[in-house]
This record gives sequence, C-alpha cells and structure tokens, in this order.
Amino acid sequence: ETGVTQSPTHLIKTRGQQVTLRCSSQSGHNTVSWYQQALGQGPQFIFQYYREEENGRGNFPPRFSGLQFPNYSSELNVNALELDDSALYLCASSLAGDGYTFGSGTRLTVV
Amino acid sequence: DQQVKQNSPSLSVQEGRISILNCDYTNSMFDYFLWYKKYPAEGPTFLISISSIKDKNEDGRFTVFLNKSAKHLSLHIVPSQPGDSAVYFCAASARFQGTSYDKVIFGPGTSLSVIP
Repeated sequence: ETGVTQSPTHLIKTRGQQVTLRCSSQSGHNTVSWYQQALGQGPQFIFQYYREEENGRGNFPPRFSGLQFPNYSSELNVNALELDDSALYLCASSLAGDGYTFGSGTRLTVV
Repeated sequence: DQQVKQNSPSLSVQEGRISILNCDYTNSMFDYFLWYKKYPAEGPTFLISISSIKDKNEDGRFTVFLNKSAKHLSLHIVPSQPGDSAVYFCAASARFQGTSYDKVIFGPGTSLSVIP
C-alpha cells in the first residue's frame, strides 16, 4: 500500500507566475483535500475533491484551483502568484473523507 | 476568525513526565476531533481522535479528553519520550449528512520538546 506522494518537494517561483502542484492519493482513497501551511501556522483548508468534483472550499481566492483525475490523483493550480503564497502545501487523501493520510508537502517559495 | 485555538505555541517537558497539550474550539457544530503530529520535512500524521459523544479516548501512552461544555480538549502523553518531540496540531471536523465533505480545521500547533 503506497502512501500519499507530492511533487515537487520544493519549488521557487516569481511573483505573477503560475504553478501546478501534484498529488498521488493513497491506494483506495477517493477524496483529496489540499491545505496551505504558512510558517508558524496550522494547515488552512483550501478545497476538497471527491470523485473528480470540488466538494468544498475554504477562504481562498479563485486563482487557487484544482483538478482530480479518474485515478484520484490531484493537482493544485495557483495563478498570479503573490509573495504571501509562499507556504508548505499539503495534500491529504481519504476514503470518502474518513481518515486522512497526508503527503510530505511541497514547499513553495515566491520571490 | 480562528475556530480552533492552541494557545501555547511551545511546551518543554522532562522525559518520563506527563505532557499536556490544550486546544479550544468555538464552533459547536464540530463533532469529531483529531490530534496530528508533525516532524520537520514530513506531513502531519494522525495520532488519536475522539468523537463528540465521548469524553475520553486512550491509545497507549496517548489520551485525549473532551469537555464539550467548555469546548475544550486536551492531549495527555504519559510518559513523555524524546521521540515525542514534534509539533502537535489539534483539528476539528464537522461531518455533513449525506455528503463526504468533512472540512477539517486545524489549530496553529504546539511545539513539544521532551528533554532527556
């Protein structure tokens, strides 16, 4: 049984650019949630995907968008990057929202 | 508006003693509470949880207590070990009927240091 894998592990982007982060769910999981963890804070809920549809969203602007694929892997896309987007982005997969397994995260730095 | 609060950013405890990590929440809709542990360069890992219908749940050295009237929960680690040194996140969840959506809200975390 594989866990949740995220890629890349680290990324540096320039303000105004766009970024795509990827997440492979744990085998058998059909739900993916994305979180943003800024330095010194707890993870903040961005959105959740269930069976390829957005199933809930936190207080993040529309330039944060996502996709879930038929194999339940997922992408997080952020457009028009801002300096404050610098954070650790965590993906968590679950089976219908029960029992989250987190990946190790992608550390995004916007300069 | 922070719905899950952990008012102690850090805690130091001697090895072998009890560690008590506290958490408060504001939303009475939360019905499931979780504790996660996070080491540097790793994602959070699930530690222990408690449903709102219970007031205590034990798993080995870890016990979570829930006081619904006070909207307060605590994690007790006895005895504390150096390997317990990590950031501990309290999280609360509301499961909505008929959906798989259970937005999990995290607190800001408490960094625990267990001193040998």
